[in-house]
Amino acid sequence: QSVLTQPPSVSGAPGQRVTISCTGSSSNIGAGYDVHWYQQLPGTAPKLLIYGNNNRPSGVPDRFSGSKSGTSASLAITGLQAEDEADYYCQSYDSSLSGSWVFGGGTKLTVL
Amino acid sequence: EVQLVESGGGLIQPGGSLRLSCAASGFTVSSNYMSWVRQAPGKGLEWVSVIYSGGTTYYADSVKGRFTISRDNSKNTLYLQMNSLRAEDTAVYYCALLTRYCSGTSCYSYFDYWGQGTLVTVSS
Repeated sequence: QSVLTQPPSVSGAPGQRVTISCTGSSSNIGAGYDVHWYQQLPGTAPKLLIYGNNNRPSGVPDRFSGSKSGTSASLAITGLQAEDEADYYCQSYDSSLSGSWVFGGGTKLTVL
Repeated sequence: EVQLVESGGGLIQPGGSLRLSCAASGFTVSSNYMSWVRQAPGKGLEWVSVIYSGGTTYYADSVKGRFTISRDNSKNTLYLQMNSLRAEDTAVYYCALLTRYCSGTSCYSYFDYWGQGTLVTVSS
């Protein structure tokens, strides 16, 4: 059971917009800790996608955006493309656990 | 260019020990926060351990007392010594470079660069 809750799967057709939610609690996201997002393509290591709630590292298309409100965060992907099919993970920090970085359980994005 | 290359994984019997290495290039390990993150087969990501630039270390409860994170500054390499291994430790282990930033009075960090991972299988 992950500290951060994500839907197991989402799907969308090419060109569509999808969102992935990440729900935490008062000891992590709700405590003000930033949320970061990672993309893991099949058979590869995770890659940083969004940091600090809504910032994109260089090279990440502006089709990807993040937001945070209260105890939750969201990742939005617009103009869905076939190469976006991957697992997506949110990550934050939890003050109830000693020095603990926490992840969501991951969301599998399927491009129909 | 930042590069992280893990090694040392393999098949080990329950109760055994293994040491993972993560050779870094393009930056100085001792000046940064470094971490290990693992992923069990078909499962999500789990943070394992971190070492701060000052040497402070933290561990997930699931590995506390069994795993030790360390670094060799002369080799610019990060290590994870894993003892008393259990079947549930079976996973791909990634080393990661954290980037730290501060906003106002609060500071945060995220896993900026990842290695390719090394598979540890604990089985008899």
